[in-house]
Amino acid sequence: GDSVTQMEGPVTLSEEAFLTINCTYTATGYPSLFWYVQYPGEGLQLLLKATKADDKGSNKGFEATYRKETTSFHLEKGSVQVSDSAVYFCALSVNSNSGYALNFGKGTSLLVTP
Amino acid sequence: DAGVTQSPTHLIKTRGQQVTLRCSPKSGHDTVSWYQQALGQGPQFIFQYYEEEERQRGNFPDRFSGHQFPNYSSELNVNALLLGDSALYLCASLPLEGVNYGYTFGSGTRLTVV
Repeated sequence: GDSVTQMEGPVTLSEEAFLTINCTYTATGYPSLFWYVQYPGEGLQLLLKATKADDKGSNKGFEATYRKETTSFHLEKGSVQVSDSAVYFCALSVNSNSGYALNFGKGTSLLVTP
Repeated sequence: DAGVTQSPTHLIKTRGQQVTLRCSPKSGHDTVSWYQQALGQGPQFIFQYYEEEERQRGNFPDRFSGHQFPNYSSELNVNALLLGDSALYLCASLPLEGVNYGYTFGSGTRLTVV
């Protein structure tokens, strides 16, 4: 079945460090890929998305490129801030006539220290 | 513009009881999905409603049921509660254009079963 695997956390970085969170997927069809972020006590927010191979999603300094050959969608940011501390979820959706369920990874907790 | 609203925010129930959770989707959204998020895990898809019908269902027992009303709002019902049903229940809505525009999530209902 469709699934997402993302790197285990927690990840602890100093402010202005480079961030990479790995995400790989398995899908039977042609999925759309997403990164969602969850701040403490809140619901999930869409961070970025890519709907086809080689697409690059970007938002708020975060980027991820849909790599079909490696079935990956790694999240990167060049310089993290304390305010980026949150849990990050990689997810996929295989559009079908029966619906648009999201399959999530287990999440990666990021803590950025001053 | 109000996003997805869920009620109640917190709930404590006794094992064996029944619970109803409520969700109002974002304005302009017609598809509602429900997810269960156990502590430290990624959200798991329960089901999705569109045009007042269950369109897709995840791997959850029949104790979990739902409903969508003509105004697109939705309810999640769980019967015969088990301790393992304790989780954050998230409602998410989609616009008419579909999943590639990204789900909008509510802040969730924290259900504790004792």
